[in-house]
Amino acid sequence: GENVEQHPSTLSVQEGDSAVIKCTYSDSASNYFPWYKQELGKRPQLIIDIRSNVGEKKDQRIAVTLNKTAKHFSLHITETQPEDSAVYFCAASNLYSSASKIIFGSGTRLSIRP
Amino acid sequence: NAGVTQTPKFRVLKTGQSMTLLCAQDMNHEYMYWYRQDPGMGLRLIHYSVGEGTTAKGEVPDGYNVSRLKKQNFLLGLESAAPSQTSVYFCASSYSAQGGNEQFFGPGTRLTVL
Repeated sequence: GENVEQHPSTLSVQEGDSAVIKCTYSDSASNYFPWYKQELGKRPQLIIDIRSNVGEKKDQRIAVTLNKTAKHFSLHITETQPEDSAVYFCAASNLYSSASKIIFGSGTRLSIRP
Repeated sequence: NAGVTQTPKFRVLKTGQSMTLLCAQDMNHEYMYWYRQDPGMGLRLIHYSVGEGTTAKGEVPDGYNVSRLKKQNFLLGLESAAPSQTSVYFCASSYSAQGGNEQFFGPGTRLTVL
């Protein structure tokens, strides 16, 4: 079945450094790739997303890249700050499928060291 | 505008008991979802609905039932709770799939089955 694999499961970086989280997906029909951030004890919230018709999208310190051929996409956070500490989830779905399911990765716990 | 709300926030059940979790959204969203979140396993889809009166199975539907009698409400039922159903349950809603499918999550329900 459809699957999304996410690596690493935990990541610790020095404040100010960059963090990269990578995901691969199995369903070649996937065309929408959102990233969610979940702070401790809170609900997941969308931080950025990308559709399959573009290869990269940026929003201030965060960016997402997509390689459709290899079926993988990545989240890049630059100049990390303490408030970036959270669990990040990647996901994949097919916007044109009536089933409309989103498959989530297993999450990456990002810690920012002061 | 409350967004997505869930009741209750916490619940402790004994094995074999039943309960219903209520999700409500006031954003006129068509799509609604129930997920469970377990450590290291991300968000797994239990059941979802693409409109009032419709329901469909997700990744882990066994032991759960759902109903969507009104567009704004999505109920998750456990007929005979088991310890394996101890988890945090999140409800989510989205306007559509084709619109980008950003999912808005509720605050979560922490369920413990003894």
